[in-house]
Amino acid sequence: QKEVEQNSGPLSVPEGAIASLNCTYSDRGSQSFFWYRQYSGKSPELIMSIYSNGDKEDGRFTAQLNKASQYVSLLIRDSQPSDSATYLCANRGNTPLVFGKGTRLSVIA
Amino acid sequence: DTGVSQDPRHKITKRGQNVTFRCDPISEHNRLYWYRQTLGQGPEFLTYFQNEAQLEKSRLLSDRFSAERPKGSFSTLEIQRTEQGDSAMYLCASSLAGVNNEQFFGPGTRLTVL
Repeated sequence: QKEVEQNSGPLSVPEGAIASLNCTYSDRGSQSFFWYRQYSGKSPELIMSIYSNGDKEDGRFTAQLNKASQYVSLLIRDSQPSDSATYLCANRGNTPLVFGKGTRLSVIA
Repeated sequence: DTGVSQDPRHKITKRGQNVTFRCDPISEHNRLYWYRQTLGQGPEFLTYFQNEAQLEKSRLLSDRFSAERPKGSFSTLEIQRTEQGDSAMYLCASSLAGVNNEQFFGPGTRLTVL
């Protein structure tokens, strides 16, 4: 059974702080890793993809991948109230995406 | 808008009725995926197409569910004899083929079975 595990939260951070979201996965064959943001009642929106070990930065977002530890994380710098949403971690090996249940982030103004 | 579109956005039906949803992918994308999402869960894969060929179906996809993509463009997902457990958000996504493909989701169709 291929699984993606995330802490459901809620994770509460003050405005301007760094939010750190974590994810572990079971499929060692996974080749691609994605973070999606989902606002309540809306569909998932792709915010980051990462394919190799290390860090990948895009604006206020940094994704980190460690394939040996089967661990992927997302850092959000200078968190804003508009970042309050559920963040879904997903990976892909030889099959379509497998999602975690998501971590709910609340940024407090 | 050149993103993924889905129709209808909301559907309320009575148990036992048939429903059909439509998805139009991003025009240059040859892969199209259907997922189902219930409250508090991540999206669960149902099936996907590469062009008109249906390449994979999840064990979640019972005999009451059928999907088509007849000309390799838009796709339909039909649920026959709906049950209350079918109530969920049905999400469509599309991508280019390839290992590192990025999937982009449409707005979803929220189904409520009474």
